[in-house]
Amino acid sequence: QQQVKQSPQSLIVQKGGIPIINCAYENTAFDYFPWYQQFPGKGPALLIAIRPDVSEKKEGRFTISFNKSAKQFSLHIMDSQPGDSATYFCAASRYAGGTSYGKLTFGQGTILTVHP
Amino acid sequence: GAVVSQHPSRVICKSGTSVKIECRSLDFQATTMFWYRQFPKKSLMLMATSNEGSKATYEQGVEKDKFLINHASLTLSTLTVTSAHPEDSSFYICSARDVFGNTIYFGEGSWLTVV
Repeated sequence: QQQVKQSPQSLIVQKGGIPIINCAYENTAFDYFPWYQQFPGKGPALLIAIRPDVSEKKEGRFTISFNKSAKQFSLHIMDSQPGDSATYFCAASRYAGGTSYGKLTFGQGTILTVHP
Repeated sequence: GAVVSQHPSRVICKSGTSVKIECRSLDFQATTMFWYRQFPKKSLMLMATSNEGSKATYEQGVEKDKFLINHASLTLSTLTVTSAHPEDSSFYICSARDVFGNTIYFGEGSWLTVV
């Protein structure tokens, strides 16, 4: 019940394309869904996060779509650039209730390559 | 923005020795810190939750006597890998939650190689 399943494992797009990465979760107690970007040898950096009370959130070129009934959420990267080439992780956590917040369950990761 | 610093960033140790990794919140207080382990090209796996002034809570399958976690202050948590073996070689990452509980910050990670 703690799993977060992420797909695809890898993704290659051309510059300007819109890569889409999908995640599905099982635990209905999760109520915080962040996406992280990780470059080789570095720690993950928060890109954008969403709570289940909204179906979409945009920050710059990054958009999260959230489907509560399907227990799925996805990341869209608009106008992708070669500098976006990295590994992307979705994650889930319990937000409300204090002590569990920050205890993240990560998806398997997606290696994104954006060709010039 | 808030920074979480890990030290050392890279360490090589001999089998059987112990090595300590520090995680510091530089400009905020963190009542809770989390330790993750990441193998090459794999996801982050939560090892334990570290609460200031109390014992850490370990995830299932993580040996608490091998991975000693101490959170002695609101800005510092340490992970000590005891009697290290080559299979302990990994990328260890900490994250810190600020005292208001609203934001999580990740460190840059520490590469451990056991030879």
